[in-house]
Amino acid sequence: QIVVTQEPSFSVSPGGTVTLTCGLSSGSVSSGHYPNWYQQTPGQAPRTLIYNTNTRSSGVPDRFSGSILGNKAALTITGAQADDESDYYCMLYIGSGIRVFGGGTKVTVL
Amino acid sequence: QVQVQESGPGLVKPSETLSLTCSVSGGSINNQYWSWIRQPPGKGLEWIGYIHYSGSTNYNPSLKSRVIMSVDTSKNQFSLILNSVTAADTAVYYCARWYCAGPTCYYLDVWGKGTTVTVSS
Repeated sequence: QIVVTQEPSFSVSPGGTVTLTCGLSSGSVSSGHYPNWYQQTPGQAPRTLIYNTNTRSSGVPDRFSGSILGNKAALTITGAQADDESDYYCMLYIGSGIRVFGGGTKVTVL
Repeated sequence: QVQVQESGPGLVKPSETLSLTCSVSGGSINNQYWSWIRQPPGKGLEWIGYIHYSGSTNYNPSLKSRVIMSVDTSKNQFSLILNSVTAADTAVYYCARWYCAGPTCYYLDVWGKGTTVTVSS
């Protein structure tokens, strides 16, 4: 069974930079996994930040960027703001039409 | 602007069947892919599967034996059935639309607000 891995939590100072990663239990993440990144605040539905590795969804500030770093997908927040405090989920396409979410990363801004 | 909204019973007894409907408004269900996603209390998101307006489906292998998705284009709705539920199926259930370009679907661009389903006797 394929597992998508994310850091459980990260803390970042206001104005700081943080990079979240999204890996696979077996193998490397590539653009062929079409990495997505979603942001979710408590009680709300997720919101798409990044799709197809590095494309920002409409209305998403450019302080959010996506990339492949080494063997993982990555989401970087540059110049973190208080309202970036959220849960962040990646989702990967693993083939045969199947998508898998990572366990999520809780980002605290303080 | 397309919107989706989940509806269905908020309480289901163990071993019984969970049945939810997603209503699409502001646009057509046709020529699109749609998904169900769930989130147990305090936990992460889980992709349940997708359905195409034509009726073709693909399910999470871990749920495949218990899941059926269907579509009713005349009502602009699609549905989720999950059989033989247990407490582990207690979750917020979301429906969502896929953004696709050509043969490739990239991300979930329209989400419902979610509906809470509790499995309990």
